[in-house]
Amino acid sequence: EAQVTQNPRYLITVTGKKLTVTCSQNMNHEYMSWYRQDPGLGLRQIYYSMNVEVTDKGDVPEGYKVSRKEKRNFPLILESPSPNQTSLYFCASSQNRYSGANVLTFGAGSRLTVL
Amino acid sequence: QRVTQPEKLLSVFKGAPVELKCNYSYSGSPELFWYVQYSRQRLQLLLRHISRESIKGFTADLNKGETSFHLKKPFAQEEDSAMYYCALRGDYGQNFVFGPGTRLSVLP
Repeated sequence: EAQVTQNPRYLITVTGKKLTVTCSQNMNHEYMSWYRQDPGLGLRQIYYSMNVEVTDKGDVPEGYKVSRKEKRNFPLILESPSPNQTSLYFCASSQNRYSGANVLTFGAGSRLTVL
Repeated sequence: QRVTQPEKLLSVFKGAPVELKCNYSYSGSPELFWYVQYSRQRLQLLLRHISRESIKGFTADLNKGETSFHLKKPFAQEEDSAMYYCALRGDYGQNFVFGPGTRLSVLP
């Protein structure tokens, strides 16, 4: 089944303890992206990647890192999490064509709580 | 590239028409999408302008003159209650840009 898989789905951690949220897609998509969703603020982009080894900042990149060493994986790294990073995180992927096939497929979401 | 959705919350009664507004700023030829998130579910594509189709009774027409892509349904149903995001993608190699979202509440 074509899908975007995120892990963990739920995580409670403490301030300063490094964590990684993994994202993997099996659709050979070039484009991948991370978002956080907060009540009243909607969906905000953290980082995105147009292809392997190509990443760029979104609207709210502070406190996050990403890497794109292989096409299928796009992990989100919180080096020193803080309580304001408590949020619901979504990973998404898409083909990167001139037109017609550029539909984002989303993962199920990862709910992160930082105490 | 920018997408605006002026209403954070829209409440309508069942059977009433609904219109969720979306305006964008982009100088080229964008791709426009509507994504929907039902309670406790992941975001999913509702429709995109190039398909020119009706999904779950919803339609959206791209108006390049007004730079709008409003989502419409003639008769709202309670199961339409959800969060709706308008999104834009520019030319090849461009990022996806999302609006802030509109929460639609269909009242019985």
